[in-house]
Amino acid sequence: GAVVSQHPSWVICKSGTSVKIECRSLDFQATTMFWYRQFPKQSLMLMATSNEGSKATYEQGVEKDKFLINHASLTLSTLTVTSAHPEDSSFYICSAQARGGHTGELFFGEGSRLTVL
Amino acid sequence: KQEVTQIPAALSVPEGENLVLNCSFTDSAIYNLQWFRQDPGKGLTSLLLIQSSQREQTSGRLNASLDKSSGRSTLYIAASQPGDSATYLCAAFTGGGNKLTFGTGTQLKVEL
Repeated sequence: GAVVSQHPSWVICKSGTSVKIECRSLDFQATTMFWYRQFPKQSLMLMATSNEGSKATYEQGVEKDKFLINHASLTLSTLTVTSAHPEDSSFYICSAQARGGHTGELFFGEGSRLTVL
Repeated sequence: KQEVTQIPAALSVPEGENLVLNCSFTDSAIYNLQWFRQDPGKGLTSLLLIQSSQREQTSGRLNASLDKSSGRSTLYIAASQPGDSATYLCAAFTGGGNKLTFGTGTQLKVEL
């Protein structure tokens, strides 16, 4: 089956620093990738949708200048949390939609846990 | 705006019991509905995907049904095992906006 890999799986950083999380589709081309965040004991909330070669579309309430998304190729999207603060601590999960795949069939990464001290 | 709700929020059952998890969604114009499993601190594992034209999907001890008109889906787990303990999430994919909206999740615990 299609595999989506996220890196790093966990990261601890100091407040004010920036953290980059990578999402890679390993064996397929992903025209669209999605980024979610999940707080403890809560469901996943969509942050933004990124299409290869174009700007990401952010959900209402998500600061695009804080959560920078780059989808430079059909197999890689990155999420950069800029000037991270403790309230940004969360579990971030990406998903990818395969080119030519069934509509809405998404493959998920393993998630990246960010802890900001 | 699509809203997805899951009932119950938590469920504890003895091993071997058959159980049903419920998922409801407000916008019936979906392309598909998916069920996922999430273990603590882990990512999502896709269990079943039901296209809008389908009524149900089966995989092993799992059976998921979809009733678009009533905005409901159920996940049936037969002969539950302790290894089934996890949080189960349903998610509705809506074409307009190309979005997957997740439910609130059901935390399942299967006890020996």
